[in-house]
Amino acid sequence: AQSVTQLGSHVSVSEGALVLLRCNYSSSVPPYLFWYVQYPNQGLQLLLKYTTGATLVKGINGFEAEFKKSETSFHLTKPSAHMSDAAEYFCAVRISNDYKLSFGAGTTVTVRA
Amino acid sequence: SQTIHQWPATLVQPVGSPLSLECTVEGTSNPNLYWYRQAAGRGLQLLFYSVGIGQISSEVPQNLSASRPQDRQFILSSKKLLLSDSGFYLCAWSVAVVDGYTFGSGTRLTVV
Repeated sequence: AQSVTQLGSHVSVSEGALVLLRCNYSSSVPPYLFWYVQYPNQGLQLLLKYTTGATLVKGINGFEAEFKKSETSFHLTKPSAHMSDAAEYFCAVRISNDYKLSFGAGTTVTVRA
Repeated sequence: SQTIHQWPATLVQPVGSPLSLECTVEGTSNPNLYWYRQAAGRGLQLLFYSVGIGQISSEVPQNLSASRPQDRQFILSSKKLLLSDSGFYLCAWSVAVVDGYTFGSGTRLTVV
């Protein structure tokens, strides 16, 4: 079985500050990991993913995430927050032989001017 | 390129009325298809998924049902809506495991 834990349901950052969203997973096999972003009343959009290879992955809108196997983590970061980063972010994990994604509960990001 | 269409965007229905939400995918064959629901203040709940025509797996027992009459068409239905069916419904598709899901734009359902 797989599960995803996102630490912090709400994160508030100042414009220009670091954005750090935490995600930990549990899995019995090497996982595939994803971060999605959702703006109000819209579907989820893929930010980035890790499957194999380089553990630091870069995504759209200046976001990146690092897969740390020893810590079972896949934290999402952005060096400098922009007002347009205000949204809800979901971490997800997929097992290679499973059709389904397991999603975290989501983290809502608010950006202060 | 692949696209996913989901409609309607918003829907207000009275309690006890039927429901039909449709999702279609273009530009790919034999996709895996999914229905998710987001209730207010809650995360994503997988309702149904399908790996082929006529093959439906239900994740949560409820008064909703799903059908896949064609390869790239996925329909979510209910015979009688409940207030608790209100939420944001999302359709998604995938083909390769490594690619994750592509989501539709969602349907906001309000049951009154």
